[in-house]
Amino acid sequence: GNSVTQMEGPVTLSEEAFLTINCTYTATGYPSLFWYVQYPGEGLQLLLKATKADDKGSNKGFEATYRKETTSFHLEKGSVQVSDSAVYFCALSDRTNFGNEKLTFGTGTRLTIIP
Amino acid sequence: GAGVSQSPSNKVTEKGKDVELRCDPISGHTALYWYRQSLGQGLEFLIYFQGNSAPDKSGLPSDRFSAERTGGSVSTLTIQRTQQEDSAVYLCASSLFGTGASYEQYFGPGTRLTVT
Repeated sequence: GNSVTQMEGPVTLSEEAFLTINCTYTATGYPSLFWYVQYPGEGLQLLLKATKADDKGSNKGFEATYRKETTSFHLEKGSVQVSDSAVYFCALSDRTNFGNEKLTFGTGTRLTIIP
Repeated sequence: GAGVSQSPSNKVTEKGKDVELRCDPISGHTALYWYRQSLGQGLEFLIYFQGNSAPDKSGLPSDRFSAERTGGSVSTLTIQRTQQEDSAVYLCASSLFGTGASYEQYFGPGTRLTVT
């Protein structure tokens, strides 16, 4: 079955540091890949996505590139801010025989940015 | 516009009691999903609705769990005879639906269920 493995947390960085959160996946088909973010006290929000190999998703200064050869979708940001403190989830979706896109999530990485 | 809403936001119940969790999806979203976020298992898919029918129930952990959706809108997840391992945050998401197309799932804030 499908699975997502992401970097264990928690991760603590200073403001303006470079961020990488690793994510690798196992899938039988050709999934779409996502990063979701959960800010304190809020629901899950889509941060960025990529639907095919070599696509780069980007949003709010975050980027991730769909690497089929390494089955990876690592999240990066060049200069983090305190407001980026949140839990980040890597996920994939695969269209099932029922027509739905079932999301499979990683375990989440808690990121804390200190001023 | 309004997002996905869920109620209650918190629910504490005694072991063995039944609970009902409600989800109001975004208007016009025909696809509705339930997920569970627990310490031991992370975020797991439970069930998918297309309109009022549930073609994919593959994530329901036991027959104590059931869900329904009425009017192509509100959905209720029911857990009978709750157990302590049911303690988790239950998330609802909705999306548009189209054959062959990929649509973003919008998540609600969740219901935190604690079974004592």
